[in-house]
Amino acid sequence: GNSVTQMEGPVTLSEEAFLTINCTYTATGYPSLFWYVQYPGEGLQLLLKATKADDKGSNKGFEATYRKETTSFHLEKGSVQVSDSAVYFCALKDSNYQLIWGAGTKLIIKP
Amino acid sequence: DAGVIQSPRHEVTEMGQEVTLRCKPISGHDYLFWYRQTMMRGLELLIYFNNNVPIDDSGMPEDRFSAKMPNASFSTLKIQPSEPRDSAVYFCASSSTVANYNEQFFGPGTRLTVL
Repeated sequence: GNSVTQMEGPVTLSEEAFLTINCTYTATGYPSLFWYVQYPGEGLQLLLKATKADDKGSNKGFEATYRKETTSFHLEKGSVQVSDSAVYFCALKDSNYQLIWGAGTKLIIKP
Repeated sequence: DAGVIQSPRHEVTEMGQEVTLRCKPISGHDYLFWYRQTMMRGLELLIYFNNNVPIDDSGMPEDRFSAKMPNASFSTLKIQPSEPRDSAVYFCASSSTVANYNEQFFGPGTRLTVL
């Protein structure tokens, strides 16, 4: 069945460091891929998405490229800020309109 | 739009009591999802509805849990009787098949504590 695997957290970085959070997936067909972010005490919100191979989703300085050959959708940001501290979830959309979720990766940015 | 509305935001109850969580989806959305989030198990899909009809309830942990969607603007998740292991944050989310490419919009969650 479909599944999403994320790197385990927490990931701790200093401000202005480069961020990569790995995400790989297993799916039949060509699913859409998403990154959601959850700030402390809040619900999840969509950060970015990609709907087909080689698409790049971007938002708030974050980017992720849909790599079909490696079944990956890694999240990157060139210079993180303290305000980026949150939990990040990778997900894919299957044919039943459900989202299949990764376990989430907690990101801690130290000033 | 006010977004997805959930109530209450916090609920503390004693074991054995009935708990009802409420959700108002975004107007015009035709999908509604109930999730549970815990440290141990992460984010779990409990049940989802399409046009008020339950489509998949395989994530509902046991018969103590039930969910209804009597109309397009309201859904409830009920736990009866509640147990301490039900303590979690419960999220409701909604989405539209014709807008925002099925992006799910989450409510702020209900933090449930069962003593």
